[in-house]
Amino acid sequence: EPEVTQTPSHQVTQMGQEVILRCVPISNHLYFYWYRQILGQKVEFLVSFYNNEISEKSEIFDDQFSVERPDGSNFTLKIRSTKLEDSAMYFCASGGVQETQYFGPGTRLLVL
Amino acid sequence: GESVGLHLPTLSVQEGDNSIINCAYSNSASDYFIWYKQESGKGPQFIIDIRSNMDKRQGQRVTVLLNKTVKHLSLQIAATQPGDSAVYFCAENLGNNRLAFGKGNQVVVIP
Repeated sequence: EPEVTQTPSHQVTQMGQEVILRCVPISNHLYFYWYRQILGQKVEFLVSFYNNEISEKSEIFDDQFSVERPDGSNFTLKIRSTKLEDSAMYFCASGGVQETQYFGPGTRLLVL
Repeated sequence: GESVGLHLPTLSVQEGDNSIINCAYSNSASDYFIWYKQESGKGPQFIIDIRSNMDKRQGQRVTVLLNKTVKHLSLQIAATQPGDSAVYFCAENLGNNRLAFGKGNQVVVIP
């Protein structure tokens, strides 16, 4: 069964550094998403992406964040200058023409 | 230091019994709802979904009930198994496929 994959599974970085989190969505999906989950809290929407542009973003997704689909398979989330409060699990999700979103296993980001 | 986070409601259920997990959603205009299961260290896993034009939908061992009048969702798991132990989240589509997740309910299955 096709799955969303994410790399790396864990990332440790220093405050102020840039990180890029990578996702390979399910191959025939057209809609792509990033969510985050701070330890012990709810999953929070960050951004949705369709047809090579952002279709919706939350108030969390400020100028420090960007997304890109650099080729036909990858979908990336970049955090330009990480802050301590960016430490969280970051989940990529993808969806087809139906609304169901399928989530990847996540990248655990720790900012020191 | 002291950790801060959500203390999840926990449902302890005997293996083989039925489980019912409840969720209140916020937006009366939401028209699509999903239940996800999250095991420790993993991403949310799709269980079942329902549209607002339905009030009940059944899957394999799971049933979702939707009460739009009181903005309430429930997930029923029949014959709960040890593999059902996880955190269960409901999510509503706020529009443009932007999902808002609920706080989550921890289910602990006692063998």
